[in-house]
Amino acid sequence: GENVEQHPSTLSVQEGDSAVIKCTYSDSASNYFPWYKQELGKRPQLIIDIRSNVGEKKDQRIAVTLNKTAKHFSLHITETQPEDSAVYFCAASINRGSTLGRLYFGRGTQLTVWP
Amino acid sequence: NAGVTQTPKFQVLKTGQSMTLQCAQDMNHNSMYWYRQDPGMGLRLIYYSASEGTTDKGEVPNGYNVSRLNKREFSLRLESAAPSQTSVYFCASTISGTGNIQYFGAGTRLSVL
Repeated sequence: GENVEQHPSTLSVQEGDSAVIKCTYSDSASNYFPWYKQELGKRPQLIIDIRSNVGEKKDQRIAVTLNKTAKHFSLHITETQPEDSAVYFCAASINRGSTLGRLYFGRGTQLTVWP
Repeated sequence: NAGVTQTPKFQVLKTGQSMTLQCAQDMNHNSMYWYRQDPGMGLRLIYYSASEGTTDKGEVPNGYNVSRLNKREFSLRLESAAPSQTSVYFCASTISGTGNIQYFGAGTRLSVL
């Protein structure tokens, strides 16, 4: 099955700096890559996703890039704020038409943004 | 529209006791999932149900059983709880056509003593 690795496991940045979290995947058939944010004691929630026919996607201060050749994708957060502090999970799946594959999650990155 | 509802929110069991975690969604989603979350291990899939009437094993199915009661409900049963099953359990659901955006319940925090 698919194997998703995520780095780093912890990341500390100063408010206003950028943060980058990287993930690699093993199955070249994977074609859907979401990112989830989980605040302390809360449920994971989708923040952005990208499909394999797109190389980059942006939504305000967050962006995701995908390199299919190298089988890696990254989450970029610019102008970080203390409320960005959370655990971030990457995931990968294979979707074929209306048939959805299961999500394979990375182990998570604890991001701390210091004021 | 409550989304994905899990019960109970907290539970303490003794080793060997059994219990069922309940999950219901009101979004007419086809697929439902049970995950466990342990520190440093991310979200690991226990079982999933791609559609009503089907269930499949995930990464860590041992010690668990599931039932897709109908399209709305997907329950997870621990027949004989063990301390290794102390974890936070999340139910999630998704629908075809959204690209597999999963919506999570609030979680059940389970301690097995």
